[in-house]
Amino acid sequence: GAGVSQSPSNKVTEKGKDVELRCDPISGHTALYWYRQSLGQGLEFLIYFQGNSAPDKSGLPSDRFSAERTGGSVSTLTIQRTQQEDSAVYLCASSLNRGTDTQYFGPGTRLTVL
Amino acid sequence: KQEVTQIPAALSVPEGENLVLNCSFTDSAIYNLQWFRQDPGKGLTSLLLIQSSQREQTSGRLNASLDKSSGRSTLYIAASQPGDSATYLCAVNYGGFQKLVFGTGTRLLVSP
Repeated sequence: GAGVSQSPSNKVTEKGKDVELRCDPISGHTALYWYRQSLGQGLEFLIYFQGNSAPDKSGLPSDRFSAERTGGSVSTLTIQRTQQEDSAVYLCASSLNRGTDTQYFGPGTRLTVL
Repeated sequence: KQEVTQIPAALSVPEGENLVLNCSFTDSAIYNLQWFRQDPGKGLTSLLLIQSSQREQTSGRLNASLDKSSGRSTLYIAASQPGDSATYLCAVNYGGFQKLVFGTGTRLLVSP
């Protein structure tokens, strides 16, 4: 079946602009995660959704970052007033339920802030 | 602080060799541990998931072990092939909200 998909695959934006990144999880997966992979920081957790609620937002680096999930499916990560340090690959993952299940990752969105 | 470390950072071997990648983690109270591979410019592919109650998992030429008491996991790759060349990431689920804490990875190159 279809895996996790993300769009766009690449995004180049100017400093100060807002961007939206989209994640379509595997159908039926209730848990959804956003991670960020950058050269200096490795792979780091941003936010976790169970259904439409986000019980863990501890990884969001600043209040410029927000995310939502609707219908227990699609999620959008929004970065406002982008800064150069936001440049990274943003990865989305989903799992059937929280806890014991494998997390399946999408191909990522490469964000470049000029 | 929960940390995951992978050694070595890079490894180069000739085709056919058996090899071991190492992962160590602080705090033995883990929920599970997952091994991934990442090809350049691509996302992560899940290889093996070991629950905290398990000692090892096998899939084809891959075998992953877990020793919670010593805070270690190893990924054994038998009869390596050039197609195994990738970065291998170890990730620990410490429970709670199930977020993964990733190691820095081992970049593997298998030469023909």
